[in-house]
Amino acid sequence: NAGVTQTPKFRVLKTGQSMTLLCAQDMNHEYMYWYRQDPGMGLRLIHYSVGEGTTAKGEVPDGYNVSRLKKQNFLLGLESAAPSQTSVYFCASRPTGVEEQYFGPGTRLTVT
Amino acid sequence: GENVEQHPSTLSVQEGDSAVIKCTYSDSASNYFPWYKQELGKRPQLIIDIRSNVGEKKDQRIAVTLNKTAKHFSLHITETQPEDSAVYFCAASAPSGNTPLVFGKGTRLSVIA
Repeated sequence: NAGVTQTPKFRVLKTGQSMTLLCAQDMNHEYMYWYRQDPGMGLRLIHYSVGEGTTAKGEVPDGYNVSRLKKQNFLLGLESAAPSQTSVYFCASRPTGVEEQYFGPGTRLTVT
Repeated sequence: GENVEQHPSTLSVQEGDSAVIKCTYSDSASNYFPWYKQELGKRPQLIIDIRSNVGEKKDQRIAVTLNKTAKHFSLHITETQPEDSAVYFCAASAPSGNTPLVFGKGTRLSVIA
């Protein structure tokens, strides 16, 4: 099993550009999460999904959209990137009935 | 909603000494309290967790204690080693399976050899 993977690993965007981050898991997990990690701010939840076809807002959803069309994939979209979205983005997943979250390796995004 | 405060933000200890990291939470309904370790450039990984029906849990050199009345929980690392150097995050979540974790802001632990 590859576990949780994220694509791409690094990306540099110009202000106003758009992009999609892909999170994929091969563990048949129901729950998936997108976090951003900034220095001194910990892990802040952007959006999450409790199952295929469902999404919900987290603590910091503004400027981001998500989709969970397939159970194994959770996409995070930035429609018009801003410098404030420079961060490291982590995806995580977990199965029903288990609280432990399994994190992906992260995507480092820089918006100039 | 839930709010988790974590202290200290940085902690330096000598190798072999103990380290203690403390967290408080605001929602008395929270019942699950995990600790994640994140080494430099790596992903966070669960190291230990505790539920509200348990006061203490140990796993070799690490232990977590929970005080439900005071709404705080702590991570204890004994006989620290250089490989314990990392950022540690506490978190809390409420009983519903759909309620996401809320993380503290992290503690950077440095173990000095």
